[in-house]
This record gives sequence, C-alpha cells and structure tokens, in this order.
Amino acid sequence: KAGVTQTPRYLIKTRGQQVTLSCSPISGHRSVSWYQQTPGQGLQFLFEYFSETQRNKGNFPGRFSGRQFSNSRSEMNVSTLELGDSALYLCASSSGQGYTDTQYFGPGTRLTVL
Amino acid sequence: KQEVTQIPAALSVPEGENLVLNCSFTDSAIYNLQWFRQDPGKGLTSLLLIQSSQREQTSGRLNASLDKSSGRSTLYIAASQPGDSATYLCAVSSGGGADGLTFGKGTHLIIQP
Repeated sequence: KAGVTQTPRYLIKTRGQQVTLSCSPISGHRSVSWYQQTPGQGLQFLFEYFSETQRNKGNFPGRFSGRQFSNSRSEMNVSTLELGDSALYLCASSSGQGYTDTQYFGPGTRLTVL
Repeated sequence: KQEVTQIPAALSVPEGENLVLNCSFTDSAIYNLQWFRQDPGKGLTSLLLIQSSQREQTSGRLNASLDKSSGRSTLYIAASQPGDSATYLCAVSSGGGADGLTFGKGTHLIIQP
C-alpha cells in the first residue's frame, strides 16, 4: 500500500497570504489528523477528521481550518499567515478512530513565511 | 492536561551498544503509547504501538515496555547500528482523542561507527 502523501513538500509564502496544504491518507483509512512541528514547541495537534467530520480540534486560532472529502483526502488552510506559522506540517492517517489505532505519518509540508 | 517528558534529550553511543530511551507521562488514563523515529527534515515513522492493556511490544531489535500506573515507558534498542541514528519520539493517546496525540520533545540519538 502507498503511504500517506502530502503536497506540496515545500512552500514559501509572505505574511498576510493564505495557504492550502493537502494530505492523502493510506487507502482505506478514514481518520486524518494534522500536526504542527516547530523547534520550540515540538509537535502540536491541530485537528482530526473522520468521515468528513471534524472530531477534535487543538488549541490553535481560527486562522487554521481544515476539511475532509468523501475519499478521505484532507486539506488544511491557514489564512493571514504570520511569521510564527513557519513550521513542518504533518498529517497522519489511521484505519479507525485516530486515538485508538496506529497513526501513520506523511513526509510533511515545510512552510516558510517571510 | 497530559504532559510527556523524554529523557535524555540527546544520547551518543558507540555502535553495538544496547541502549534505553525513557518516556514519562503525567496522566495514566491513556489508550495507548506509540514510539516513532524521525530522520532530519522527514516525517515520523511508527516503530511500536502499545495498547494500555499491554506491558510490552517487540519488533526486531526494538522492545518497548509500558508501566501505565507509574506513567512510564522505555524503548530498548539492542545492538545499535549507525542507521539507528535519528530522533525518537514518544506519544500518548488520552482524553478520548480530544487532544490528539501528545508528544514528548524527543531523544536525539547518535550511534558512532
């Protein structure tokens, strides 16, 4: 089976712009979670989607949003970018409910905000 | 709020040694604990998942143990190799998934040839 894929792998944006990141889970997986990784804060949970519904959300401002499509692919959007949004954004998929099963991570999207 | 701590933050050992990485968590009401490795600039690779009802899991040269009551897990790596050099992350799932996985900051491991 193909693993979790994320596109694009690298992005450079300027402050105030918006960005959309995409994640394709492992075939058959219905849960997709998103994480932000920075050197200072480590890995932090953004949100989780299951069957097109957002099930859980981390402590991030409303500028961070996401959605999941009927084929389980997911996108996250960050509006009005700030310098502090520079990070590696990782998505993970699992076969069932995300909090009980093994999470498989993609390679990440490296976002740089100038 | 669940907090996860990993000790040591960095470790450098010669090839061939057996080593232990430690992970502790503050809330013992977990569903599972997962160990990952991360190579520089890359995503996370799942190594082992231990459900809350289990005491240990093994995969090849890796063995992970879980003591839920004391809030501790260890990852044992036998006969270390230079290819084991990476950052090892421990993550727990708790609170019904409301906070996703809670990660430690990781142990940066270097195996000297």
